[in-house]
Amino acid sequence: DVVMTQSPLSLPVTLGQPASFSCRSSQSLVYSDGNTYLHWFQQRPGQSPRRLIYKVSNRDSGVPDRFSGSGSDTDFTLKISRVEAEDVGVYYCMQGAHWPRTFGQGTKLEIK
Amino acid sequence: EVQLLESGGGLVQPGESLRLSCAASGFTFSSYYMSWVRQAPGKGLEWVSAITGSGGSTYYADSVKGRFSISRDNSKKTLYLQMNSLRAEDTALYYCAKTAQFDNWGQGTLVTVSS
Repeated sequence: DVVMTQSPLSLPVTLGQPASFSCRSSQSLVYSDGNTYLHWFQQRPGQSPRRLIYKVSNRDSGVPDRFSGSGSDTDFTLKISRVEAEDVGVYYCMQGAHWPRTFGQGTKLEIK
Repeated sequence: EVQLLESGGGLVQPGESLRLSCAASGFTFSSYYMSWVRQAPGKGLEWVSAITGSGGSTYYADSVKGRFSISRDNSKKTLYLQMNSLRAEDTALYYCAKTAQFDNWGQGTLVTVSS
């Protein structure tokens, strides 16, 4: 199985400051169609997960442009340019290139 | 607007069975893979199972293989998860999700396995 490793597990950030989340996979996430199937999800407290970024760097509909994704092959990053209060929650990366699908452990974003 | 509404969760004893349903609307249901993902209390996300749009192919996590069965009724736009031989470690909030890349999620249905 592809192991997804996120860091840090906890991220205290001051409002208005940037935040950066790291995700590494144990295998390449480049699929045979040439796409890289690495996605980011946000789970606010008490809510269902919501996909923010798909295929490394594409924002889903309605996602603010302060969220951005980057990376390649096995090393990926999610960035928030300026953290707002509504961004509090857990962020998960997930690989969609291999079966079984696997998630990272999650990074908990809190306001300092 | 995509909507996914899970139902069928509840409290069952170890070894018993349960069938979850997910009613979909707002998209051409038969054209998409559908998935189940679960989250144990206070824990992270775990993919459980997925099925192709036609229902012809299915995929399972090792932790549920041989006990759970995913299916769909495209005429009813409904996804199912038949869960047999339930164990305490199956206790979780079960979400259905659109596609195998989890574009959209439902609100979840809680399954508790306890004696």
